[in-house]
Amino acid sequence: NAGVTQTPKFQVLKTGQSMTLQCAQDMNHNSMYWYRQDPGMGLRLIYYSASEGTTDKGEVPNGYNVSRLNKREFSLRLESAAPSQTSVYFCASIDRAGNTIYFGEGSWLTVV
Amino acid sequence: KQEVTQIPAALSVPEGENLVLNCSFTDSAIYNLQWFRQDPGKGLTSLLLIQSSQREQTSGRLNASLDKSSGRSTLYIAASQPGDSATYLCAVFSGGSNYKLTFGKGTLLTVNP
Repeated sequence: NAGVTQTPKFQVLKTGQSMTLQCAQDMNHNSMYWYRQDPGMGLRLIYYSASEGTTDKGEVPNGYNVSRLNKREFSLRLESAAPSQTSVYFCASIDRAGNTIYFGEGSWLTVV
Repeated sequence: KQEVTQIPAALSVPEGENLVLNCSFTDSAIYNLQWFRQDPGKGLTSLLLIQSSQREQTSGRLNASLDKSSGRSTLYIAASQPGDSATYLCAVFSGGSNYKLTFGKGTLLTVNP
């Protein structure tokens, strides 16, 4: 998954703690996405950013905030983590025509 | 709202068998459709991408078709091997000026030796 870097790869949080997942791409893509993946649920879109400076809610935005400070970086923040946010999180970036889609390697988050 | 459905949810076949995975989507105004493979505990690997103007794409033993008007795609795997065991995900790229990639829930494929 060259080109999209996610950190951290693993994280354990206590309920109520906050944290930020970082995502960066170096392919000059306009669109970036945050997904969560739960068993039997496929990938569900949390937030996306069609271009620098814009963000929009996806299918499951509650409990999350995002920030697209520049074209390269799109971060996902959990302000007050809940056990229901235990999941695998994937960041992706896509070129304008949707021809090239790159995923990060995933971030495994456990909230206890 | 775009919705993507994959059937079956799970499939178990003996080695060597040809098989078909199905994907359907509700909004035919798509840019493209893509099939991914995911191994347990791993990220996603892109297998095939079909543009909305195309009917099919082939890569090795894999062939993906697209019927945009009926909102359907199939992934055909020929001569299956145990190494093909994985979850296969279908995703459609759509949404007008707000580009969205919507995934199905996947098909868990097990190929038995």
